[in-house]
Amino acid sequence: GAVVSQHPSWVICKSGTSVKIECRSLDFQATTMFWYRQFPKQSLMLMATSNEGSKATYEQGVEKDKFLINHASLTLSTLTVTSAHPEDSSFYICSACPMANQQFFGPGTRLTVL
Amino acid sequence: GQQLNQSPQSMFIQEGEDVSMNCTSSSIFNTWLWYKQEPGEGPVLLIALYKAGELTSNGRLTAQFGITRKDSFLNISASIPSDVGIYFCAGQRGSQGNLIFGKGTKLSVKP
Repeated sequence: GAVVSQHPSWVICKSGTSVKIECRSLDFQATTMFWYRQFPKQSLMLMATSNEGSKATYEQGVEKDKFLINHASLTLSTLTVTSAHPEDSSFYICSACPMANQQFFGPGTRLTVL
Repeated sequence: GQQLNQSPQSMFIQEGEDVSMNCTSSSIFNTWLWYKQEPGEGPVLLIALYKAGELTSNGRLTAQFGITRKDSFLNISASIPSDVGIYFCAGQRGSQGNLIFGKGTKLSVKP
């Protein structure tokens, strides 16, 4: 149990386009999901907390108008990178908590912006 | 954002050797988690610790929640080549709160 999936696993896009990444909890419901970003050879940095039925909470320095988060159901959160630029190229990873004090991660989405 | 102090940054060991890595923080956590990440994949949960002083094992892995709640260590005994990867510690304050990650320990195992 406790499987989190992401789609797509990788995406290449042109600068200026928008990209949507999906995060799904496959065998549990998650009122809260988290979106992290990981640059090469670095650790995971939290971008935002996605809350089902309400607005996401963004970490300091993360532009909410650029990284749109929608948590429309108890099993799905989406992250849309709007007007993507090369500096947005990164590994985006979501996570969810099937139970208190345990957080499971998706396999990640590699975004490359040309 | 805040990060935990994780050491060592990297380790090169011989197959069969034991490994030890640790994380420290200036503030306390209610939960310590240890993850392993392989290239191009998301982190996989190895061990979760919930109480100060708790010592938990998962196969060849053993982790402890420091008594001060500001540190944790992970030991891997009798390492094998498939142990290769990056190990991250993570601290959590609330039961559903976000995680604060260490910078990772890259483990290389020579057969």
